[in-house]
Amino acid sequence: QAGLTQPPSVSRDLRQTATLTCSGNSNNVGKQGAAWLQQHQGHPPKLLSYRNNNRPSGISERFSASRSGNTASLTITGLQPEDEADYYCSAWDTSLNAWVFGGGTQLTVL
Amino acid sequence: QVQLVQSGTEVEKPGASVKVSCRASGYTLTGYHIHWVRQAPGQGLEWMGLISPNSGGTYYAQKFLGRVTLTRDTSINTAYMELNNLRSDDTAVYYCAREASGASDYWGQGTLVTVSS
Repeated sequence: QAGLTQPPSVSRDLRQTATLTCSGNSNNVGKQGAAWLQQHQGHPPKLLSYRNNNRPSGISERFSASRSGNTASLTITGLQPEDEADYYCSAWDTSLNAWVFGGGTQLTVL
Repeated sequence: QVQLVQSGTEVEKPGASVKVSCRASGYTLTGYHIHWVRQAPGQGLEWMGLISPNSGGTYYAQKFLGRVTLTRDTSINTAYMELNNLRSDDTAVYYCAREASGASDYWGQGTLVTVSS
């Protein structure tokens, strides 16, 4: 099933800002918005934001999400070493009746 | 607090079946959909399907139709994923995840399934 498109890797310097993107279509990101997940090696994913920019309790304000058309974005400000992880976007696809994921972006904090 | 606790590591031979459990605590299973997602070694997340524990209704990813069955036992607050006719490329960590507001807010710890002869 067709998934969402994310850049495989992004690198930024410590304390800088990183913006990760996620491209879908009008049946998923464009209609339902996207959720963002963070996954550290060897751990299950952790929800960072849902329905574009709602943060679960306990998630830092350094993480903010947005959407423009069929593309969702996650912006991480003041990068910290612990932000180095894989980031996935996900959305329900109303045409496929399926959850679709992006391939993930590996964020490196230099 | 909300937790999803999955069953332990499985090692199976090609052609066999595996059944992974996901026990919910801290909330009632019937209140939220449960999704199953797998992750092959070094790979991304792959959605397998979902079950509505209230009705038992299911949606499956096209790729797994006919090979995966999602069930639940509401009396013990537990969801199950059974995958049949295992192949070596089914080797992965399998996760259950609770859906709230269109996203997966809680995840199980993952169950490693290794398929090897």
